[in-house]
Amino acid sequence: IAGITQAPTSQILAAGRRMTLRCTQDMRHNAMYWYRQDLGLGLRLIHYSNTAGTTGKGEVPDGYSVSRANTDDFPLTLASAVPSQTSVYFCASSVEASDNSPLHFGNGTRLTVT
Amino acid sequence: GQNIDQPTEMTATEGAIVQINCTYQTSGFNGLFWYQQHAGEAPTFLSYNVLDGLEEKGRFSSFLSRSKGYSYLLLKELQMKDSASYLCAVKDSNYQLIWGAGTKLIIKP
Repeated sequence: IAGITQAPTSQILAAGRRMTLRCTQDMRHNAMYWYRQDLGLGLRLIHYSNTAGTTGKGEVPDGYSVSRANTDDFPLTLASAVPSQTSVYFCASSVEASDNSPLHFGNGTRLTVT
Repeated sequence: GQNIDQPTEMTATEGAIVQINCTYQTSGFNGLFWYQQHAGEAPTFLSYNVLDGLEEKGRFSSFLSRSKGYSYLLLKELQMKDSASYLCAVKDSNYQLIWGAGTKLIIKP
């Protein structure tokens, strides 16, 4: 089934540890995004990639890094986790960044940093 | 700064009609999206407006007035499964999506 797959579904992580959230899509979408969603706040963009080989910073990039080695994969890495990074993380993709194509979301990763 | 405002929570009765409003102030405008998000799930796309007027899709309609910076999502013949959060998002001049915090819709029998 075409779509976006995120892993893991949930994770409890000790502060200071390094963690990579995985995201893979099979729709050949050029644009991919990482968002975090916290109660009472809208989706906040962490990093994005308009096409393979390029990445950009979103609204809340500090403490996170991404790579886009190919079209399908867009991993998000927390170099040294802090409790404020406790959140639900959504990966999303769209056909192109600068058109009216809607975002398709993965099922999310619920991360708790203790 | 850029801002999107939606009511935090609304309650409606099964079978009724509800209108969820969204006002926005953004740097430029390249379209407005509505998404539905059930609790514990991912957002899913509902509608897109870029021109003024009403777009109808079955029980759901979305309206846009660019001059007023205003949109609404209209849900008719409400069903219990419509209980969800509804997210309004605007693409700005850089084609970045600006998101509202969402409106939690509670449907009562």
